[in-house]
Amino acid sequence: GAVVSQHPSWVICKSGTSVKIECRSLDFQATTMFWYRQFPKQSLMLMATSNEGSKATYEQGVEKDKFLINHASLTLSTLTVTSAHPEDSSFYICSAIDRDGLYNSPLHFGNGTRLTVT
Amino acid sequence: DAKTTQPNSMESNEEEPVHLPCNHSTISGTDYIHWYRQLPSQGPEYVIHGLTSNVNNRMASLAIAEDRKSSTLILHRATLRDAAVYYCILRRSIEPGTYKYIFGTGTRLKVLA
Repeated sequence: GAVVSQHPSWVICKSGTSVKIECRSLDFQATTMFWYRQFPKQSLMLMATSNEGSKATYEQGVEKDKFLINHASLTLSTLTVTSAHPEDSSFYICSAIDRDGLYNSPLHFGNGTRLTVT
Repeated sequence: DAKTTQPNSMESNEEEPVHLPCNHSTISGTDYIHWYRQLPSQGPEYVIHGLTSNVNNRMASLAIAEDRKSSTLILHRATLRDAAVYYCILRRSIEPGTYKYIFGTGTRLKVLA
């Protein structure tokens, strides 16, 4: 089955530093990847849609200069949280659509990255 | 945005069927109905999806109302491993080849032994 690998699974960083999270589709090519954020006991909130080779589309209220998204290849998208602050602590989850099954394909999710900013 | 409404929580006894409802009154003709479930500290897992007809797979069944404004996820025999948060989502086409999946609040399913 389609596998999405997300790395790291958890990270602790100091306030003011930047953190990069990687999302890879291991056995399929993903034209589109999505980045979600989830706070404890809440649902997933869509942050941005990332299309290979083009700029990401951010949801309203998500700062594009703070959450940098790069989708340089059909199997890799990265999310960089710049100048992280404690309020950025959250569970970040990526997902991808198989390009070959674009019209009738489910989302495949990574296992998430728990970010703690101290 | 494509909004769905689900009960916050439900309980079921082990080995009994579970019917998880979802309302999506703003659904449009090309929106697919997707269901995912999430265990604690994990990414969501795909369960099933459909457009108009009822769907069955090894995990569950999806019953879609004739007007498509609601759907029901059916777990035929709940097990303790089915305890999770179940999300009903509409996949909406933004432009050709571009989709958006918006998560609702989900239903927390508790399975009693």
